[in-house]
Amino acid sequence: EAGVTQFPSHSVIEKGQTVTLRCDPISGHDNLYWYRRVMGKEIKFLLHFVKESKQDESGMPNNRFLAERTGGTYSTLKVQPAELEDSGVYFCASSLTSGGGNEQFFGPGTRLTVL
Amino acid sequence: AQSVTQLGSHVSVSEGALVLLRCNYSSSVPPYLFWYVQYPNQGLQLLLKYTSAATLVKGINGFEAEFKKSETSFHLTKPSAHMSDAAEYFCAVTYSGGYQKVTFGTGTKLQVIP
Repeated sequence: EAGVTQFPSHSVIEKGQTVTLRCDPISGHDNLYWYRRVMGKEIKFLLHFVKESKQDESGMPNNRFLAERTGGTYSTLKVQPAELEDSGVYFCASSLTSGGGNEQFFGPGTRLTVL
Repeated sequence: AQSVTQLGSHVSVSEGALVLLRCNYSSSVPPYLFWYVQYPNQGLQLLLKYTSAATLVKGINGFEAEFKKSETSFHLTKPSAHMSDAAEYFCAVTYSGGYQKVTFGTGTKLQVIP
């Protein structure tokens, strides 16, 4: 069974440019999460989809970030325009259920560097 | 509000020695607690989780953790470190009552010295 995949693995862009990250969850997982880890800090929750709907987007830093999940399958996270402080590793995770004890399966992350 | 504190961003142990990674949590309601591991160039992998059953939880690769409510701790241990244990370890907390987002600690990098 394929795990959570993310594309690209690395992205280097200049300040002001746009970047789109993609996440493909495990097949059948309705719950999809985005997290971000800025260097040296904790992994922080960004948002949670249940199918194509946003369940919780309380962690999104500002309106330069736009997440979508078309048809409840893969998800994209677009940063427009990118700023220096957006650099970090963006993780995607998916799970079957969304209860408190659920196991989230993580992708390898996309390392974003904004110059 | 919930939070997680991991003591020590870097821990070094000799191969064969005890591994002890510390995690303290803060939660106003009974927590669910997790340890994840991230090997280089890979995603986070669940090591073990506590969901209010047995307080001593056994996970993969010989790791275990004990939930101590009185100390608000969930330390990760392994009796004998292997070189393959070198990775970054994250403690995380959420709590019961339907959907709850996960809060992570800052991570501890484990170095195993031959």
